[in-house]
Amino acid sequence: GQNIDQPTEMTATEGAIVQINCTYQTSGFNGLFWYQQHAGEAPTFLSYNVLDGLEEKGRFSSFLSRSKGYSYLLLKELQMKDSASYLCAVMDSNYQLIWGAGTKLIIKP
Amino acid sequence: IAGITQAPTSQILAAGRRMTLRCTQDMRHNAMYWYRQDLGLGLRLIHYSNTAGTTGKGEVPDGYSVSRANTDDFPLTLASAVPSQTSVYFCASSEVGGNTDTQYFGPGTRLTVL
Repeated sequence: GQNIDQPTEMTATEGAIVQINCTYQTSGFNGLFWYQQHAGEAPTFLSYNVLDGLEEKGRFSSFLSRSKGYSYLLLKELQMKDSASYLCAVMDSNYQLIWGAGTKLIIKP
Repeated sequence: IAGITQAPTSQILAAGRRMTLRCTQDMRHNAMYWYRQDLGLGLRLIHYSNTAGTTGKGEVPDGYSVSRANTDDFPLTLASAVPSQTSVYFCASSEVGGNTDTQYFGPGTRLTVL
């Protein structure tokens, strides 16, 4: 079956760095997406990786290793507004997104 | 502001009733999707449409139907609601279906079936 695993919850301190991991087993691979979802709101797109390596976008970076079925989202200089759930999703061979349950990130002052 | 709208924002529904969730996008995207989001689970695809006039089944289609009469609208119908359909429903769209285009989400409909 298809499976996306990510930690349920993480806590970090304002101004610090946090890494959210995602491992996957899917039928085929056409890229990995990270979305941010604030409580009660819609998911919003953060990043897309299809090749191995690190993609940097401001305070957020996303890494992919296809051979290990592994990705992480790195958030630097954490701000209170970064408190949200972070969703990992893999696009399978049918171009359908398979979603993880999300990681709730709690930022403490 | 361009984007996706959904209606209603929330609804409480008696079991056995019929309900249609509405979704409209003004981005002229070809592909549209319906997901449900339940606590502790990832988003699950219910139905999708890669272009007006076509629809397809996702991971959890049973109990739901969709239509795509035009590019902008993609309603989701529950013919006879059951309590297990209590969930938050998100509509999404992407410029092209069947490829790696980013999906953009509407604000969601919170549905409770009693």
